[in-house]
Amino acid sequence: EPEVTQTPSHQVTQMGQEVILRCVPISNHLYFYWYRQILGQKVEFLVSFYNNEISEKSEIFDDQFSVERPDGSNFTLKIRSTKLEDSAMYFCASSGDGYTEAFFGQGTRLTVV
Amino acid sequence: KNEVEQSPQNLTAQEGEFITINCSYSVGISALHWLQQHPGGGIVSLFMLSSGKKKHGRLIATINIQEKHSSLHITASHPRDSAVYICAVIISGTYKYIFGTGTRLKVLA
Repeated sequence: EPEVTQTPSHQVTQMGQEVILRCVPISNHLYFYWYRQILGQKVEFLVSFYNNEISEKSEIFDDQFSVERPDGSNFTLKIRSTKLEDSAMYFCASSGDGYTEAFFGQGTRLTVV
Repeated sequence: KNEVEQSPQNLTAQEGEFITINCSYSVGISALHWLQQHPGGGIVSLFMLSSGKKKHGRLIATINIQEKHSSLHITASHPRDSAVYICAVIISGTYKYIFGTGTRLKVLA
């Protein structure tokens, strides 16, 4: 069964460093998403991406964040100058047409120290 | 006030019990998604629905668009059903999901 894969599963980084979280969406999907879940809180939408550009973003997704689809398979989330409050589980998801079921990756747990 | 509310927040049941988790939302939606999050954190899709009812195994999901309400039912619950169940909606005219806070279910053997 096709699945969304995320790497790494856990990343620890120093405050102020840049991190790149990687995702491989399901191959025939066209819509891609990043979400985050701070420990003990609900999942929050960050950004949706279609046709090589951001289609929507939340107020959380400020200039510190960027997304990219550098090749035909990967979808990345870059967080610049990480802060302690960026520590969270980050989930990537993909869907076929944006209105059908989104499939989630297993998440990357980011710890900023 | 959250745009997506779930109840109960926590639920403990005995194995075999029939379980209902509720989700109410206050925004216009194009679809509603029920998800399951296991202790390790991974999220699994259960159902996406925009009307009526869907069934998969022991799970049944219903939605009433007029009342802005959905329910997830688990029949003959089992300890392996223990997880957090999350309701998420896609806002009409967007690709944006809003998530509920989740219902933590524990099924005792």
